[in-house]
Amino acid sequence: EVQLVESGGGLVQPGRSLRLSCAASGFTFDDYAMHWVRQAPGKGLEWVSGISWNSGSIGYADSVKGRFTISRDNAKNSLYLQMNSLRAEDTALYYCAKGQTYDYGGNSFDYWGQGTLVTVSS
Amino acid sequence: SYVLTQPPSVSVAPGQTARITCGGNNIGSKSVHWYQQKPGQAPVLVVYDDSDRPSGIPERFSGSNSGNTATLTISRVEAGDEADYYCQVWDSSEGVFGGGTKLTVL
Repeated sequence: EVQLVESGGGLVQPGRSLRLSCAASGFTFDDYAMHWVRQAPGKGLEWVSGISWNSGSIGYADSVKGRFTISRDNAKNSLYLQMNSLRAEDTALYYCAKGQTYDYGGNSFDYWGQGTLVTVSS
Repeated sequence: SYVLTQPPSVSVAPGQTARITCGGNNIGSKSVHWYQQKPGQAPVLVVYDDSDRPSGIPERFSGSNSGNTATLTISRVEAGDEADYYCQVWDSSEGVFGGGTKLTVL
């Protein structure tokens, strides 16, 4: 059974940093792309970032480019999101999602975690 | 940036057919994926690559895509289908979601 468990969320002041983690199990982690998708309270889904199986291809939404960094450790079956210079508009539930294939673009998100909440507020 | 337009809400009686549209410029040239999200839960993939269903998704869920509109069709709607539905595509290596449609089962 595929399981994705996010952690690292919390309350942080504007301008500060936070690192999210996603622990994956139930599938061969290094065969698949991985993604972060967020959802602001009461709002829709927003793709944040994606990374290919070997970290060779990485992409970001314009809203986070230059502030967020995605990475993965295939030896630890883990995905990460380093979030710097956080803003109030980054407040959201952050989901870790598995890509359907090895490349991060073009495919669906076929499994999702339950999310970790990030609140940016002074 | 690429924009996907969904109706905010669709209502349907049990047993009837619900159609949820997703509009985008020449969306027919892209692969469209659909997600169902129930309150307090993570999204679930219900249709991928325009019209394919993941294992475990009922045949009542189907999809089509042509021209400027993709459509998710839910046949014989049940109370348990009440949820938010999102379409999603890739454009210039960025993931794009529609704004979501709330399906209400009357």
